[in-house]
Amino acid sequence: EAGVAQSPRYKIIEKRQSVAFWCNPISGHATLYWYQQILGQGPKLLIQFQNNGVVDDSQLPKDRFSAERLKGVDSTLKIQPAKLEDSAVYLCASSSRGRNTEAFFGQGTRLTVV
Amino acid sequence: KNEVEQSPQNLTAQEGEFITINCSYSVGISALHWLQQHPGGGIVSLFMLSSGKKKHGRLIATINIQEKHSSLHITASHPRDSAVYICAVAGNQFYFGTGTSLTVIP
Repeated sequence: EAGVAQSPRYKIIEKRQSVAFWCNPISGHATLYWYQQILGQGPKLLIQFQNNGVVDDSQLPKDRFSAERLKGVDSTLKIQPAKLEDSAVYLCASSSRGRNTEAFFGQGTRLTVV
Repeated sequence: KNEVEQSPQNLTAQEGEFITINCSYSVGISALHWLQQHPGGGIVSLFMLSSGKKKHGRLIATINIQEKHSSLHITASHPRDSAVYICAVAGNQFYFGTGTSLTVIP
């Protein structure tokens, strides 16, 4: 079974630039999560999708972050414009039916904003 | 105060030792996840449990819902077990601990 695919693995950008991350969840998984993990901290949920609808985006900085999952399959997370404090690993995870089912994580995208 | 507290933050063990990592949480949950994160790597789900105990090979996870506490045990630890172990609870949202960094020395 293919796992959660994320790209790119690494990205370095200057502050105020834009960046986009891509995630392809496990086939058939209805729930997709984006997390931000700052070095030394646990992951923080940015947004949770159920199919193509948003379940929870309460911690997403909506002035600069956006995410979509148009066809209920793969998803993109965008930051525009990036700030230095956005440097983190961005993790995508999927599960078949929400928080009470096992979540599978991608390798993450390590973003460095300089 | 974090909703999920893990201890210890850092742990160094000799190969073969029995290891315990603890997780306490303060919110109502429907499930608790133990995750493993290797340096530079992604996160792997080790266990999801809502009651009792689960065992996979040398790994054992237990949860006490009444005490809001879970433990992850590693028997006969090996250097390849070196990683960060993260406890996450599923309540009205996911809450994550900050992780326990484990180093197993040969």
